[in-house]
Amino acid sequence: EAQVTQNPRYLITVTGKKLTVTCSQNMNHEYMSWYRQDPGLGLRQIYYSMNVEVTDKGDVPEGYKVSRKEKRNFPLILESPSPNQTSLYFCASSSGQLSYGYTFGSGTRLTVV
Amino acid sequence: AQKVTQAQTEISVVEKEDVTLDCVYETRDTTYYLFWYKQPPSGELVFLIRRNSFDEQNEISGRYSWNFQKSTSSFNFTITASQVVDSAVYFCALSVVTGANNLFFGTGTRLTVIP
Repeated sequence: EAQVTQNPRYLITVTGKKLTVTCSQNMNHEYMSWYRQDPGLGLRQIYYSMNVEVTDKGDVPEGYKVSRKEKRNFPLILESPSPNQTSLYFCASSSGQLSYGYTFGSGTRLTVV
Repeated sequence: AQKVTQAQTEISVVEKEDVTLDCVYETRDTTYYLFWYKQPPSGELVFLIRRNSFDEQNEISGRYSWNFQKSTSSFNFTITASQVVDSAVYFCALSVVTGANNLFFGTGTRLTVIP
């Protein structure tokens, strides 16, 4: 089954403790992206990657890092999480034909206390 | 710059009523794509429809229909004979060829269907 897999689904952590949210896709897609969803703000792009070793900032990149060492994986790294990063995070991938939109993962609900 | 506006924050309807969710977009690109996604209480994003800027034909899929009007920059979504399972947050989104592969989302409309 074609899918984007994110882990974990739920995560509660403390301020300053480094964490990684993993994302993997099995569709051989070139494009991958991370979004965060906040009430009243919709979804906003954090980072995106157009191919292996090619990443760039989205609209809200502060406090996040990403890497794309393999085509299928695109982890999101929070080096020093803060409470304002409490949010619902989605990983997504696309074939590169953006007309078809993105396939989204199931989401990761992160709480930073 | 791209922008999507969903002015309706929350809507409540009684089951079997029809409901229309509004979406207004802004872009200077002539080639763009419009999408609707459904987010049920479980949280995942479910793709509903895409439409490109050159195709203004309206579309119907079962109880769902979409009205795309370039003249008013709108891409509205109508649910006919609503059901409790339609309760969800609905997002309208826009992408452009020159847009760094980004999907620009509206803020969403929370639809509650009351049995």
